Amino acid sequence: DAGITQSPRHKVTETGTPVTLRCHQTENHRYMYWYRQDPGHGLRLIHYSYGVKDTDKGEVSDGYSVSRSKTEDFLLTLESATSSQTSVYFCAIRLDRGKTQYFGPGTRLLVL
Amino acid sequence: KQEVTQIPAALSVPEGENLVLNCSFTDSAIYNLQWFRQDPGKGLTSLLLIQSSQREQTSGRLNASLDKSSGRSTLYIAASQPGDSATYLCAVTGTDKLIFGTGTRLQVFP
Repeated sequence: DAGITQSPRHKVTETGTPVTLRCHQTENHRYMYWYRQDPGHGLRLIHYSYGVKDTDKGEVSDGYSVSRSKTEDFLLTLESATSSQTSVYFCAIRLDRGKTQYFGPGTRLLVL
Repeated sequence: KQEVTQIPAALSVPEGENLVLNCSFTDSAIYNLQWFRQDPGKGLTSLLLIQSSQREQTSGRLNASLDKSSGRSTLYIAASQPGDSATYLCAVTGTDKLIFGTGTRLQVFP
């Protein structure tokens, strides 16, 4: 599993509540990514980080924010969850752009 | 904008067949290309990584080729087994990000 964990693994929440997902790595990789996976859309990048406190937006960043205060943790926050954010969220890490990208086990989020 | 396409979207074959999965991309300025496998309800597992300077990579029964100039990659699976049943995704790296195809769902029946 390349030393990546995600928490929680499953979450049910209500519309309008804030939600934070955590990705933790033990590999000291520079790059960390958050994706969402939905039927018919495949994997879409939400945000990524290329170092501590260095982050950038992906193609579906609206409604999401991220923080990376230390190398091993990358947090994804839904400020006010909506039903359209019901999805499976995957974290990924990569040592550098020329290396293999490894994925975490995923978090299933249901927003009611 | 880079676009990655995988054909076919789904494939069903009998055990023992050799098969080819296709991946095409629109911008040849890629850093590398990666093939992944995803089992239902699971995360993605990296199968092979091909750097832009390489033509192919092999791992066991898997062989991936890359033709950057034509924007194509193929994943060859030899002597397919029911355990190979999964969704296979390709992804290209342009700068810092991977751009994924939508995948090929493979079923190998006994």
